[in-house]
Amino acid sequence: DTGVSQNPRHKITKRGQNVTFRCDPISEHNRLYWYRQTLGQGPEFLTYFQNEAQLEKSRLLSDRFSAERPKGSFSTLEIQRTEQGDSAMYLCASSSTGGVGEQYFGPGTRLTVT
Amino acid sequence: GENVEQHPSTLSVQEGDSAVIKCTYSDSASNYFPWYKQELGKGPQLIIDIRSNVGEKKDQRIAVTLNKTAKHFSLHITETQPEDSAVYFCASRGGYSSASKIIFGSGTRLSIRP
Repeated sequence: DTGVSQNPRHKITKRGQNVTFRCDPISEHNRLYWYRQTLGQGPEFLTYFQNEAQLEKSRLLSDRFSAERPKGSFSTLEIQRTEQGDSAMYLCASSSTGGVGEQYFGPGTRLTVT
Repeated sequence: GENVEQHPSTLSVQEGDSAVIKCTYSDSASNYFPWYKQELGKGPQLIIDIRSNVGEKKDQRIAVTLNKTAKHFSLHITETQPEDSAVYFCASRGGYSSASKIIFGSGTRLSIRP
């Protein structure tokens, strides 16, 4: 399967703990996006990478959130000092620079903060 | 700011009938409009998209229409089948660049009655 993969699929953590999620994009895609989706809502943009450069960050991305894509391949999203409001599905998408830039999503990581 | 409104929020149709989901967008610079289908526990799946220089696009039982003047676009599913049951999201790309983030509507939960 050459789609976008995300790990872990589910994460339960206690408030105040740090968590890290991983995204592996489609291999030839050099653009990578993170979105957050809460129950009953559409995904909301968090941040975007082209290769290893983080080119855009949403105001939703507080200073407790950090994302990296060190070698322009996989990406990690870390949340420090988690809060209950961080409970959501974290989605990763990737696209190529060619064509219209269709974004293809992974299965997401569901985070529950207790 | 950029906004995509979607309605209805829920839609129930008899198997074999048609379903229509309507959206409006606010950003005049938007030029790309994807539609995603999301099944329970999965990430959004791109099912069809349309660019602003096209008024209509069809793919088997699915069609999308775009009225750029009115900033309206719609998804039409004909001959609905049980496997069409899912949440559907309309979206627009907020800007001219193919790298721009996607702005999602709030979703329509489609149920197909046997």
